Amino acid sequence: EAQVTQNPRYLITVTGKKLTVTCSQNMNHEYMSWYRQDPGLGLRQIYYSMNVEVTDKGDVPEGYKVSRKEKRNFPLILESPSPNQTSLYFCASSLTGQGGYEQFFGPGTRLTVL
Amino acid sequence: DQQVKQNSPSLSVQEGRISILNCDYTNSMFDYFLWYKKYPAEGPTFLISISSIKDKNEDGRFTVFLNKSAKHLSLHIVPSQPGDSAVYFCAANYGGSQGNLIFGKGTKLSVKP
Repeated sequence: EAQVTQNPRYLITVTGKKLTVTCSQNMNHEYMSWYRQDPGLGLRQIYYSMNVEVTDKGDVPEGYKVSRKEKRNFPLILESPSPNQTSLYFCASSLTGQGGYEQFFGPGTRLTVL
Repeated sequence: DQQVKQNSPSLSVQEGRISILNCDYTNSMFDYFLWYKKYPAEGPTFLISISSIKDKNEDGRFTVFLNKSAKHLSLHIVPSQPGDSAVYFCAANYGGSQGNLIFGKGTKLSVKP
């Protein structure tokens, strides 16, 4: 089954404790992206990757890191989480290039930073 | 500055009637528009899209209309069903954006039996 998986689905942590949210896709997509969803703000892009070893900032990259060492994986790293990073996070993937290739989303990771 | 705007945070319709969700955009470079549907505790799922060279695209009960001169698109759901109750996001991209999607803030649709 074609899918994007994220782990963990739920995470409660404390300020300053480094964490990683994993994302994996099995569709051989070049493009992967991370979003956060907050009430009244919709989906905002954090980072994206056009292919292996190619990453770039989205609209709200502060406090986050990513890496793309393999085509299927795109982990999101919070080196020192803060309460304002409490949010619902989505990973997505798609084919790349010109045009509106639909993005496939993972089920989400709800993060709470105390 | 918001490039994709969904000005109605919520919409309530009766089962069997038409639901119309609206979206406005400011960037004339957008060449592709998409609608996503999101249920609670799930990721958004792709619903329907339209290229800027068209003014209408239909898929079953879902139709998207694009008015380029007004920079406006709408999603029509006919007939509406209770299972359509979800948050709907409008999104747009352009060739130069390398596949990045710009999302609106979403409209919560409630379809009442």
